[in-house]
Amino acid sequence: GENVEQHPSTLSVQEGDSAVIKCTYSDSASNYFPWYKQELGKGPQLIIDIRSNVGEKKDQRIAVTLNKTAKHFSLHITETQPEDSAVYFCAARYDGNEKLTFGTGTRLTIIP
Amino acid sequence: DAGVIQSPRHEVTEMGQEVTLRCKPISGHNSLFWYRQTMMRGLELLIYFNNNVPIDDSGMPEDRFSAKMPNASFSTLKIQPSEPRDSAVYFCASSLEHRDYGYTFGSGTRLTVV
Repeated sequence: GENVEQHPSTLSVQEGDSAVIKCTYSDSASNYFPWYKQELGKGPQLIIDIRSNVGEKKDQRIAVTLNKTAKHFSLHITETQPEDSAVYFCAARYDGNEKLTFGTGTRLTIIP
Repeated sequence: DAGVIQSPRHEVTEMGQEVTLRCKPISGHNSLFWYRQTMMRGLELLIYFNNNVPIDDSGMPEDRFSAKMPNASFSTLKIQPSEPRDSAVYFCASSLEHRDYGYTFGSGTRLTVV
């Protein structure tokens, strides 16, 4: 089955700086890669996703890049703000499979 | 839409008691997932349903855990008997099959077994 590894497990950045979280996946058939943000006491919330037919997708201050050959994808947050502090999860799945395989999460702390 | 609704938000029970967690998925979604989240193991998929039918229950820890989905708008996860190691946050999520907008998660049920 699919295996998703996520790094780092914790990340602290100064407010205004950029943050990058990286994930690798094992199943070359995977073609859908969402990212979730989980704030304290809440369920994970989808913030951005990408399919394997594109290499990059942006939404305001967040972007996701995908390298199919290397089987890794990354979340980039620019101009970080205190409200970006949360746990972020990457995930992967392939068409026809409803199951998402999640990474182990990254706790991002923005230092004011 | 009110989103995925889970109840209760918090549950404290004594070891050996039966616990029932409830979930109402988003109307129109036809896939439903139960996850367990702990510090040690992260997000674990317990079971998922498609069109009310259990598709994959390989993540259910043992026979003490059972899940049902009697109709498209309701699912339960039952633990009987409960044990302290079952303490975790349990999430329900729903999605529309073959649509790429991922899952919508509920707010979770924090279960503490003492």
